[in-house]
Amino acid sequence: DVKVTQSSRYLVKRTGEKVFLECVQDMDHENMFWYRQDPGLGLRLIYFSYDVKMKEKGDIPEGYSVSREKKERFSLILESASTNQTSMYLCASSQGHSGNTIYFGEGSWLTVV
Amino acid sequence: DAKTTQPPSMDCAEGRAANLPCNHSTISGNEYVYWYRQIHSQGPQYIIHGLKNNETNEMASLIITEDRKSSTLILPHATLRDTAVYYCIVRVASSSGSARQLTFGSGTQLTVLP
Repeated sequence: DVKVTQSSRYLVKRTGEKVFLECVQDMDHENMFWYRQDPGLGLRLIYFSYDVKMKEKGDIPEGYSVSREKKERFSLILESASTNQTSMYLCASSQGHSGNTIYFGEGSWLTVV
Repeated sequence: DAKTTQPPSMDCAEGRAANLPCNHSTISGNEYVYWYRQIHSQGPQYIIHGLKNNETNEMASLIITEDRKSSTLILPHATLRDTAVYYCIVRVASSSGSARQLTFGSGTQLTVLP
């Protein structure tokens, strides 16, 4: 089975802190994604990557950056956390072209106080 | 990607079949139909997908109409653990990087009743 593992399930951070959310997949997938999910707004794509060191902005990249130094790992970085970044963050991965299934991690609940 | 329309909520009795409909009248010939579900506080779980033929796996069956404008996800014997939000998504098959993402709508809240 495909496994997408997010390093932290629940985090509480202070405003202005730098936050790292880590994601690892074990299926040698080319594509990796970061979404956030908020009530009433559904899942929104933040960034995605289709190769090592490659990244593309999604629908809501402002306030976020990403890093993909190794194929299996995709990190989401909040340079200076703000309260409006309190959300559930979902990492996902898939192989090859867009006809292939995307698999999600369990999610990371981030609260910024 | 084509837009989908799903009922906001449905109930189903435990042990009965749950039939979840989805309309995707603007679907293109190279777009797949995907179904995911999300149980509260967890990440979305892949269920099944298809292009034009009906599909079945250990979780569910997917029935796609001949004109591909609608589909139905069938959970043959619903259990309480199937209570979740079910998302129907249509997605193009493309090598373009930007097409590799997945766009979720608001889904159907399925409640399985004891």
